Amino acid sequence: EVQLVESGGGLVKPGGSLRLSCAASGFIFSAYSMNWVRQAPGKGLEWLSSISSGSGYIYYADSVEGRFTISRDNAENSLYLQMNSLRAEDTAVYFCARLSGSSDPDSWGQGTLVTVSA
Amino acid sequence: DIQMTQSPSSLSASVGDRVTITCRASQGIRNDLGWYQQKPGKAPKRLIYAASSLESGVPSRFSGSGSGTEFTLTISSLQPEDFATYYCLHHNSYPRTFGQGTKVEIK
Repeated sequence: EVQLVESGGGLVKPGGSLRLSCAASGFIFSAYSMNWVRQAPGKGLEWLSSISSGSGYIYYADSVEGRFTISRDNAENSLYLQMNSLRAEDTAVYFCARLSGSSDPDSWGQGTLVTVSA
Repeated sequence: DIQMTQSPSSLSASVGDRVTITCRASQGIRNDLGWYQQKPGKAPKRLIYAASSLESGVPSRFSGSGSGTEFTLTISSLQPEDFATYYCLHHNSYPRTFGQGTKVEIK
C-alpha cells in the first residue's frame, strides 16, 4: 500500500524558515516524480513544485520560486520542501503527492499544517 | 501559463440527481486532465485520469469526458458519500493549475 506521511509543519514567524518532509513507503520511491501542493484555510488547491525521479527536473510555481526548494533523498525514500522567507499567505496545509505515469498526482499524504504568524 | 476555469463554484443537489461539473482550459491540453474529490479535512482523491479514465476502485457513476479545452465530470446518480468538493487539474505543462473547485452540497 502506498503511504506518504508529511511532517515538519508548525508555527513560524514571518520571515522565518521551515523544512517539510514526506516519508514514502509501499512503492519504489526512486522511480516516481513527486509534487508538493498546498491548501490555504478555506481555499482551493495550489500546485507548488515538482521534482523528477532523479532530481534532474524541478519546477516551481511563481508564488514560491526563489523562496522554496524541493529536494529528495531516494536512499531515504524521502521528499523535502525547504521554505524560506515565509509570509502570512504561506499559511496552509501542505500535501506531498506521487505523480503517476500519466504525470498527475495519484496518491497523496494527509498533509501538514504550516502557520505563519507573529 | 494555462488557466483552468471550473464551473459552477457550488451546487445543491439531491440524492439520485445527475450532476455535471465543467473545466475549461485557456489553451488546448489534449487529454492531460484529472479530476479529484476532496472531503473536509482529508487529502484529495483522484477519480479520473487522462480526462476520461476511471481510477481503480472508483464507482462507475463517476465519468469524465472532453479533450482540448473543454472537460466534464459527471456523477450519474448522486450518493450521500459524494457530497464533497471537486477539482480539475491540468498536467499538460508547467506550471500545473487546479480549477477553483466545485462544492457539491445537499439540497
